[in-house]
Amino acid sequence: GEDVEQSLFLSVREGDSSVINCTYTDSSSTYLYWYKQEPGAGLQLLTYIFSNMDMKQDQRLTVLLNKKDKHLSLRIADTQTGDSAIYFCAARSNRLAFGKGNQVVVIP
Amino acid sequence: DSGVTQTPKHLITATGQRVTLRCSPRSGDLSVYWYQQSLDQGLQFLIQYYNGEERAKGNILERFSAQQFPDLHSELNLSSLELGDSALYFCASSVSLNTEAFFGQGTRLTVV
Repeated sequence: GEDVEQSLFLSVREGDSSVINCTYTDSSSTYLYWYKQEPGAGLQLLTYIFSNMDMKQDQRLTVLLNKKDKHLSLRIADTQTGDSAIYFCAARSNRLAFGKGNQVVVIP
Repeated sequence: DSGVTQTPKHLITATGQRVTLRCSPRSGDLSVYWYQQSLDQGLQFLIQYYNGEERAKGNILERFSAQQFPDLHSELNLSSLELGDSALYFCASSVSLNTEAFFGQGTRLTVV
């Protein structure tokens, strides 16, 4: 299977919370990342978590890591229209592997 | 602006041709990565260099090659191009092998 898997699409109302999930296969992954890609743009690093952490909060973003299940999630609080984008999860071991991305559409 | 520069931004070429994509990493970054993004395959890792040496290889075709030069810029060469090679090609850079990677804006390659 793929190194990193994500669900493909999420629709959320403005002001609600969004949760995007990701699973990875390589248990030796040291860092897990979340990137954001807006239309026509490159990937922007949003946040990351080291593999010995369970949670990291950065303003409206909360990352949760379940290392046992190799599951990573990104919660966006108070979702705004500017959060509409594709979100990529990435896992670093001997290389940096990405999921296929999760498109988030924020409805005003 | 991530500080990673890719040129050209857009490239249209015919099947069978060869093209070179260029990447300048962020100042101080020693590692460069190349990725291919297509609609059906997502973001595929191609290859990684660190300080001029190849460090990791992904799903890179034999028709593709890359190198990192002493000034740390990198080039991705794509030859005998096929229609299926049409994609966005991203370069990323990081300070070291285990730090976060920053992406350029990509080169959109269209093979006709």
